[in-house]
Amino acid sequence: KAGVTQTPRYLIKTRGQQVTLSCSPISGHRSVSWYQQTPGQGLQFLFEYFSETQRNKGNFPGRFSGRQFSNSRSEMNVSTLELGDSALYLCASSFEGVAYGYTFGSGTRLTVV
Amino acid sequence: KQEVTQIPAALSVPEGENLVLNCSFTDSAIYNLQWFRQDPGKGLTSLLLIQSSQREQTSGRLNASLDKSSGRSTLYIAASQPGDSATYLCAVDGTASKLTFGTGTRLQVTL
Repeated sequence: KAGVTQTPRYLIKTRGQQVTLSCSPISGHRSVSWYQQTPGQGLQFLFEYFSETQRNKGNFPGRFSGRQFSNSRSEMNVSTLELGDSALYLCASSFEGVAYGYTFGSGTRLTVV
Repeated sequence: KQEVTQIPAALSVPEGENLVLNCSFTDSAIYNLQWFRQDPGKGLTSLLLIQSSQREQTSGRLNASLDKSSGRSTLYIAASQPGDSATYLCAVDGTASKLTFGTGTRLQVTL
């Protein structure tokens, strides 16, 4: 069965631009969450969506936003990019309930120049 | 606020050695704990999931234990191989919708 698919794999953007990242969860998974990974801060939680509703949000500025579609696919948007937004962005999906854990995608490497 | 600590930060062992990675967390009110492996520049690969009601889980050469009351988990790797070289991360789920990660243990297994 297909895993979690993130596109694109790599992105280079200029400061001030905006970017949209996409995540397709495992079929049947309704929860999608996003994480930012940087060498200095490690893995930090951005937000989680379940059935098109944001259930939980991390401590990130409003420039970071997301949404989930009826087919459970999710997008994450970052506006007015800053150099510090350069990171590996990871998406995870989970089946309903806590017994199943999370499956992660390969990530999108964003570089802001 | 949940905090997760992993010790050691880095570890180098010769091939064939058994090793233990440690993870501690400050809030014992968790749903489950998950161990992941990350190769450089890659995503996370789930190794083991331990639900809060369980004490341990095993998969092949890997065994993870959980002591929720003391806020500790260990990942035991038997007969290490060079292919085990990676960063190992533990993460706790305290809200059923969010993982809090440790900073990881970078493992190198040498020939």
